[in-house]
Amino acid sequence: DAGVTQSPTHLIKTRGQQVTLRCFPKSGHDTVSWYQQALGQGPQFIFQYYEEEERQRGNFPDRFSGHQFPNYSSELNVNALLLGDSALYLCASSPRTGPTTNEKLFFGSGTQLSVL
Amino acid sequence: DAKTTQPTSMDCAEGRAANLPCNHSTISGNEYVYWYRQIHSQGPQYIIHGLKNNETNEMASLIITEDRKSSTLILPHATLRDTAVYYCIVRVRDDKIIFGKGTRLHILP
Repeated sequence: DAGVTQSPTHLIKTRGQQVTLRCFPKSGHDTVSWYQQALGQGPQFIFQYYEEEERQRGNFPDRFSGHQFPNYSSELNVNALLLGDSALYLCASSPRTGPTTNEKLFFGSGTQLSVL
Repeated sequence: DAKTTQPTSMDCAEGRAANLPCNHSTISGNEYVYWYRQIHSQGPQYIIHGLKNNETNEMASLIITEDRKSSTLILPHATLRDTAVYYCIVRVRDDKIIFGKGTRLHILP
């Protein structure tokens, strides 16, 4: 059973460009969360998707947007890239199965984005 | 902002128990304590969580004080593979997970 998979693993962009990162959740999971992790810091919550809608959002500008597809996979889009957007972008999935939801997040290994 | 305080780093000898403390003095009655760890170049991994009772699973034990203002994660027999950053998190069920800076645990051979 494959876990959470993310693509690509590494990416280099230049300032002002746009980027799309992809996430495929663990089998049986329908909720996807995205995190940004700068070097030496803990992961920072960007947003969470469930039923193809953004459900929760962290303190990130509108340049960060996302999408969830009917097969539960998700995309993270970042427009007008800044040097400070260089980070590891992590995707996490979880099952939403009634009242005891969101207990555990399963993380992918991330996409390392470098903005030059 | 993270609601927990953890030491920046700790060392533990291989084969000994690793005890990682966490302070969460402002925890609310409906907030759970979660522990995740992140091994270098990987995404965080869930370890254990609890509300007020002590919990144990195949990876670790979680001891929560009676007033719930602090907790300790115990890795009973640490190995070199337990070298990682350990995050203590408090959250209401279904809420987003907010990570702090965690504790960098070094297991010494």
